[in-house]
Amino acid sequence: KNEVEQSPQNLTAQEGEFITINCSYSVGISALHWLQQHPGGGIVSLFMLSSGKKKHGRLIATINIQEKHSSLHITASHPRDSAVYICAAHKGDTDKLIFGTGTRLQVFP
Amino acid sequence: NAGVTQTPKFRVLKTGQSMTLLCAQDMNHEYMYWYRQDPGMGLRLIHYSVGEGTTAKGEVPDGYNVSRLKKQNFLLGLESAAPSQTSVYFCASSYPQGLAGIGYNEQFFGPGTRLTVL
Repeated sequence: KNEVEQSPQNLTAQEGEFITINCSYSVGISALHWLQQHPGGGIVSLFMLSSGKKKHGRLIATINIQEKHSSLHITASHPRDSAVYICAAHKGDTDKLIFGTGTRLQVFP
Repeated sequence: NAGVTQTPKFRVLKTGQSMTLLCAQDMNHEYMYWYRQDPGMGLRLIHYSVGEGTTAKGEVPDGYNVSRLKKQNFLLGLESAAPSQTSVYFCASSYPQGLAGIGYNEQFFGPGTRLTVL
C-alpha cells in the first residue's frame, strides 16, 4: 500500500463544475504539497500546507492532520484546468517528498 | 530567471550506452533532487543533494550516479543504460527546510527529460 494515496485516479467534469480531489496518507508528515502537471509534462507547485486551508484564485487546498487527509478543490472548473494533480508529502521532518500517483482531470466545455 | 533547466529534453539510447543528464538552477537553492516518473507510479527519488559536493541516495538509486561539483548544477549519470531505465526524469531544487522561518519549502521542477532505452 502506498504511503500517499489519491482518489479518484481519473476525473471528468463539465466546465463550471466544482471539483474535489482527495489525498490520504498513512505516515506522519510535516507538510503536504499539491502539484499540477500539464499535458506537456511540466510540474508546478500549487500549494504547500501543514495545517488549515489555503486559497489561490479558484483553487482551495485543505488539510486535516488528525485524519491524515487533504483535499484540493477547484471552483468553476475550466478546460484549462485539465491536468494531472499530484499530492506529495514531507515524511517526518525530512525534505524528501513521497508522491501520490496523481489524479488525471479532464474538463470539457 | 530561467528557474530549473534540464538538458537534453529527449534521448534514445541503446542498452549498455552511457549518458549524463544535466540539471541547472539559477535560484541559488541548496537542495537539488533527481526523480523518475513512470506510468501508474508516483515520482520516485533517485538521488539528492543538500549542498555543493554532497550527494545521497534516494528511493531508487541503483544504476545511477550523480555529482554536484557546482551549487547550480546537478548531474545524473547512467553508466550502462538498461530498458528498465526508460522513464521521464525530473530535476527539482529547493531551499533547505526551515530557511527564514518558511518551514518546508516548495520544490521547483525542471521540464523533464524523456529517455528511452532500446
